[in-house]
Amino acid sequence: KQEVTQIPAALSVPEGENLVLNCSFTDSAIYNLQWFRQDPGKGLTSLLLIQSSQREQTSGRLNASLDKSSGRSTLYIAASQPGDSATYLCAVRLNSGYALNFGKGTSLLVTP
Amino acid sequence: SAVISQKPSRDICQRGTSLTIQCQVDSQVTMMFWYRQQPGQSLTLIATANQGSEATYESGFVIDKFPISRPNLTFSTLTVSNMSPEDSSIYLCSVALASSYEQYFGPGTRLTVT
Repeated sequence: KQEVTQIPAALSVPEGENLVLNCSFTDSAIYNLQWFRQDPGKGLTSLLLIQSSQREQTSGRLNASLDKSSGRSTLYIAASQPGDSATYLCAVRLNSGYALNFGKGTSLLVTP
Repeated sequence: SAVISQKPSRDICQRGTSLTIQCQVDSQVTMMFWYRQQPGQSLTLIATANQGSEATYESGFVIDKFPISRPNLTFSTLTVSNMSPEDSSIYLCSVALASSYEQYFGPGTRLTVT
């Protein structure tokens, strides 16, 4: 069974800092990896999708990398803002099915 | 992308009753899923809602407890049957685009069972 771990579980940074969120997974036979954002009491917003053949994806201030062989992905957030405060979830889809296997998330607080 | 709506957004229900959650998508999609997020936990896939056939359930989830309908390519319902307090969770509908298999999620239904 695919295990997805996110470190740290919580993070507090002052506005303007660059930060890195980490995601690791145990089964490298993945189809793709997706990063989501979840605001309190809300659904999930898709941030970035990385296919297994890709090494990174960028969207605005966000950059996600994927190292399939080592079972790791990172989400880099540049010049953080208070509006970035949310829980960030990493999810992996295996080659063998459609289910997304989620980590427990990193709760990010960006203080003004 | 896809825009997904869910009804109700939240509900408080009594033990032993059932609740049906609706999911509507703004475009036709082949793949639609139902997830559960228990308090403090990550999301877990309940089942894949198949149009025109029975849903495909993940290990630990059964049709009698979570019956699912998928009458067309834009709509699905999930029923939580004979509820107990352990069913208190957020239930989320999601769809995957055939082009990239990127998944999009609805806003969720927050269920509290008393």
